[in-house]
This record gives sequence, C-alpha cells and structure tokens, in this order.
Amino acid sequence: DIQMTQSPSSLSASVGDRVTITCRASQDISKYLNWYQQKPGKAPNLLIYDASNLEAGVPSRFSGSGSGTDFAFNISSLQPEDIATYYCQQYDNLPYTFGPGSKVDMK
Amino acid sequence: EVQLVESGGGLVQPGGSLRLSCAASGFTFSYYWMHWVRQAPGKGLVWVSRIKYDGIRTTYADSVKGRFTISRDNAKNTLYLQMNNLRAEDTAVYYCARWTYYYDNTYAFDLWGQGTMVTVSS
Repeated sequence: DIQMTQSPSSLSASVGDRVTITCRASQDISKYLNWYQQKPGKAPNLLIYDASNLEAGVPSRFSGSGSGTDFAFNISSLQPEDIATYYCQQYDNLPYTFGPGSKVDMK
Repeated sequence: EVQLVESGGGLVQPGGSLRLSCAASGFTFSYYWMHWVRQAPGKGLVWVSRIKYDGIRTTYADSVKGRFTISRDNAKNTLYLQMNNLRAEDTAVYYCARWTYYYDNTYAFDLWGQGTMVTVSS
C-alpha cells in the first residue's frame, strides 16, 4: 500500500495568515492526489483534485501543487471558516489511501 | 438536490451483521463508481470498498475482504454495504462517496453522504 504522510499534524494561525500543509507519498503517484477539508462532525469536502485543480465553488484562496512524491496545500489568507482538518488522498494505486490529516485552528 | 444519504448504522455485537444503505438523488447514479470510506472515532479516513457503475466489479480493503460485500441497485439509486462478522475495530462512521471522472484518469470523491455510525460492542 502507498503510505501518505502529512505535516504538520496540527497548526495554529491567525486570520489572514498563509497556511501551508505538505503531503508526501511513499512512492511516485504522479499527480493522482486530492485534498479534502473536514469540519467537526461533517463529511469531507473536496477542495483540490489532480494535485492543483480547484474544485468548482471552492474559494480561490485554496491551492495545491506538486507531483511525484511531494505535494503542498496552501491557504493564502486564513479565514475563520477554514478551521478544519485537511486530508490528502492518493488514487494512483488501490487501496486508495489518505494522509493522517492536518488540523488547522485559530490562534 | 444532488445528495447521498446513508442509513442503517447502529450498535451491534461482535460477530454480528449490519447492512448500510446509501440513497442517491439528483444525479444519474448508474453513471458513477461508488465507494465506502470509514472513519473511526477521532481518527482519519480509510477507504473500504468500491463498486463499478454497472455493479459487475468490486474491490475491498484487505481489512474487510471476505466479511463485507458492496452492492448496488441502480433501479433504486441505492448503494449497499453488507457487513458480517463485525469486529470492534470496524467501529466507525461510514461514508458513501461518489467517484467522479474529470479528465485523463483524473478522479475524486466529489460528493459524500453525511455518514452513518456503526458501533461494534458487547
């Protein structure tokens, strides 16, 4: 199975801060990587697909980059409604695997 | 409204069985691969199973292979997960999710249900 790691596991930031989360795959997954946001008690919500494409309706302050084994997810200007846990997910190989999550809260 | 609604969760004893359902509406259900993803309390997301749009092909995580069966009824726009021989480690919120094709082998879980809680305990 492809292992996904994320860092940091949690972070605190202020409104307006730039937030960066990294995701690393245990082997080359090309660009077969998605990013999801999950708020407490809610289902995950797709933000970024194919490593860097913004899902329709998702604010442009969210972005993604990377390919191969190293990926990054950015929030350009943190808003209060962005408080959530963020997961990367690979679909290069079954079983599809998710990173352990990165929890973002407000400083 | 485009949505997925799960049902069927509950408390079951170890070794017991449960069948989850996921009712789809607002889109052509029979066009999509569908998946189950679970999340143990306070833990991350774990892929469980998938089924092809015509119901012919299925795939399972090793942890549930031989115990869980995914199926679908396209006439009823409903996805199922039959769970047998349940273990404590199967305790989780179970989500159904739509697997959408974008282009050139690009896919994502773009629609999720609200989840249904399964608790395996004596």
